[in-house]
Amino acid sequence: DGGITQSPKYLFRKEGQNVTLSCEQNLNHDAMYWYRQDPGQGLRLIYYSQIVNDFQKGDIAEGYSVSREKKESFPLTVTSAQKNPTAFYLCASNQGFYGYTFGSGTRLTVV
Amino acid sequence: AQSVTQLDSQVPVFEEAPVELRCNYSSSVSVYLFWYVQYPNQGLQLLLKYLSGSTLVESINGFEAEFNKSQTSFHLRKPSVHISDTAEYFCAVSDLRGRGNQGGKLIFGQGTELSVKP
Repeated sequence: DGGITQSPKYLFRKEGQNVTLSCEQNLNHDAMYWYRQDPGQGLRLIYYSQIVNDFQKGDIAEGYSVSREKKESFPLTVTSAQKNPTAFYLCASNQGFYGYTFGSGTRLTVV
Repeated sequence: AQSVTQLDSQVPVFEEAPVELRCNYSSSVSVYLFWYVQYPNQGLQLLLKYLSGSTLVESINGFEAEFNKSQTSFHLRKPSVHISDTAEYFCAVSDLRGRGNQGGKLIFGQGTELSVKP
C-alpha cells in the first residue's frame, strides 16, 4: 500500500546535537511538507517542497534545515540552533489540491 | 491571505449526544475544504472533504459537514457520538493558487479537542 513512512517514531537529542528525521513516500507525490505540533498550538509549517531540488521556508524555519534530492524523500534536520526542539513532528505529502497524506509522526525529546 | 478559525478549542460531550465542531474560513478565492482527525500520538487522517458538487459531505463513520459559502463555514457534525470519537479535529482549506498540479498547500485551524464522556 502507498503511504508515508516517518522514522524513528521516538528520538532523543542531547543539547547541542543535530538530529535528522526521515520522511519517505511512495505515493509519487510532488509536494512534501514538515509540520511541528506542540500542545494547544495546532500545526505549524516548518518547510515545504513542491518539486525536487527546491524547497521553501514555512512559518518557523529557524533552527531547521531540509533537502529534497529525491522525489520520495524529504528529511528534516533539527540543528543545535533550534533552542526548543521538543515536539511532535509530522511529515505530509500531496499531489494537486486534494488534501494531504500524513505520516505517523516522530516525537523528539531533548535530554 | 487565507485563514481558518476553529471556534472551540475543547468540546466535551456525553456519549450518544450530538456534537458540532465549528470552522470558519476567510479567502478571496475558491477553496477546497477538509476535516482531519488525529488520535493521540498519531498522524492526521482525512475524515471528509468538500471539492465541488453537493454542499453536504459525509464520512464513513457518521460525521458530516456542510459547506456554506455565504457564511464561509464548514462545520462538522455527528448526531450521536461514541467514546471512540475522542480525538483532535482539524479543519483545513486548500490554497488553489499553487503552481499547476504542484499546488494545494493546506491552511489549518488550531484544532478542536473532542472529549466524549460515558
